[in-house]
Amino acid sequence: EAQVTQNPRYLITVTGKKLTVTCSQNMNHEYMSWYRQDPGLGLRQIYYSMNVEVTDKGDVPEGYKVSRKEKRNFPLILESPSPNQTSLYFCASRASGFYEQYFGPGTRLTVT
Amino acid sequence: AQSVTQLDSQVPVFEEAPVELRCNYSSSVSVYLFWYVQYPNQGLQLLLKYLSGSTLVKGINGFEAEFNKSQTSFHLRKPSVHISDTAEYFCAVSDSRGAQKLVFGQGTRLTINP
Repeated sequence: EAQVTQNPRYLITVTGKKLTVTCSQNMNHEYMSWYRQDPGLGLRQIYYSMNVEVTDKGDVPEGYKVSRKEKRNFPLILESPSPNQTSLYFCASRASGFYEQYFGPGTRLTVT
Repeated sequence: AQSVTQLDSQVPVFEEAPVELRCNYSSSVSVYLFWYVQYPNQGLQLLLKYLSGSTLVKGINGFEAEFNKSQTSFHLRKPSVHISDTAEYFCAVSDSRGAQKLVFGQGTRLTINP
């Protein structure tokens, strides 16, 4: 089944404790992206990647890091999480030349 | 840069009634337009998209949208809604030159009452 998977689905952590949210897709898509969803703000893009080793900032990159060492994986790293990063996070992917993005199920992160 | 405004944060309607969810965008370049749906506790799913051609676009689940370039709008419509259409709906826009960034509106929560 074609899908985007994220782990963990739920995470409660404390301020300053480094964490990684994994994202993997099995559709051989070149493009991958991370979004955060906050009430009343819709989804905002954090980082995106056009292909392996090619990443760029979205609209809200502060406090986040990403890497794209393999085509299928695009982890989101929070080196020192803060409470304002409490949010619902979505990973998405699409094929080059196509414009439909496929979304993962989401990761609900709470930073206390 | 692009921006999207969804004019209603919540829309309550009765089952089998028609519905329109409004979306306006701004951009200095030509754009692609999308509507996504998010059912409770799920990720987003594409409803329909406008890339070029006919301004009336039909999507899944009986939804359609009309691209109006002069009014910079992309309103979503359905002639008769069902309880199962209860969800949050997001309008989104991307630059047609590269489509690297997808900019979303704030979302409209559609609630269907029996």
